[in-house]
Amino acid sequence: KAGVTQTPRYLIKTRGQQVTLSCSPISGHRSVSWYQQTPGQGLQFLFEYFSETQRNKGNFPGRFSGRQFSNSRSEMNVSTLELGDSALYLCASSLGGPKNEQFFGPGTRLTVL
Amino acid sequence: QQQVKQSPQSLIVQKGGISIINCAYENTAFDYFPWYQQFPGKGPALLIAIRPDVSEKKEGRFTISFNKSAKQFSLHIMDSQPGDSATYFCAAVGAGNQFYFGTGTSLTVIP
Repeated sequence: KAGVTQTPRYLIKTRGQQVTLSCSPISGHRSVSWYQQTPGQGLQFLFEYFSETQRNKGNFPGRFSGRQFSNSRSEMNVSTLELGDSALYLCASSLGGPKNEQFFGPGTRLTVL
Repeated sequence: QQQVKQSPQSLIVQKGGISIINCAYENTAFDYFPWYQQFPGKGPALLIAIRPDVSEKKEGRFTISFNKSAKQFSLHIMDSQPGDSATYFCAAVGAGNQFYFGTGTSLTVIP
């Protein structure tokens, strides 16, 4: 079974631009969660989508948004990029039930200049 | 506000030694505590997990010790090997199924 895939793997943007990251979950998984990983902060939860609906949301500004498609693929968008948005963005998929294991993709490394 | 506090930030252990990573939480609604292991260039992967109805869980060289009254849990890696060198994250999960991760511990095992 193929794992979680994320595209692109690396991205360089400048301040003020916007970016869209993509995540393809494991086949059969209906939940996709997004995390921001930075040194010293660990993994910060952005949001979770389940069956095309946002089910949980972390404490990030509205510049961070996401969506999920009917095939469970998910996209995350960050508008008006700031230097502090430079991070590794991870997505994780799961079956979506309580305490189901989250399977992480390799992440997208975003650098904002 | 960090829901799960993890220490130490980094750890260096000799091959064959014991690595210990500690985590603490405040929210008593958490009822599932997984540990994830992350190698460079990879996403985190589930290593071992525990529920609060048991005080210890062991899988091979990896053991979770859980102290419900103190709201603390720890990961012990026995006979640490260079291949164990990675970043380890503890997490806590409550009824909402949201995973709260610690800040991570970078483990280096010296041959």
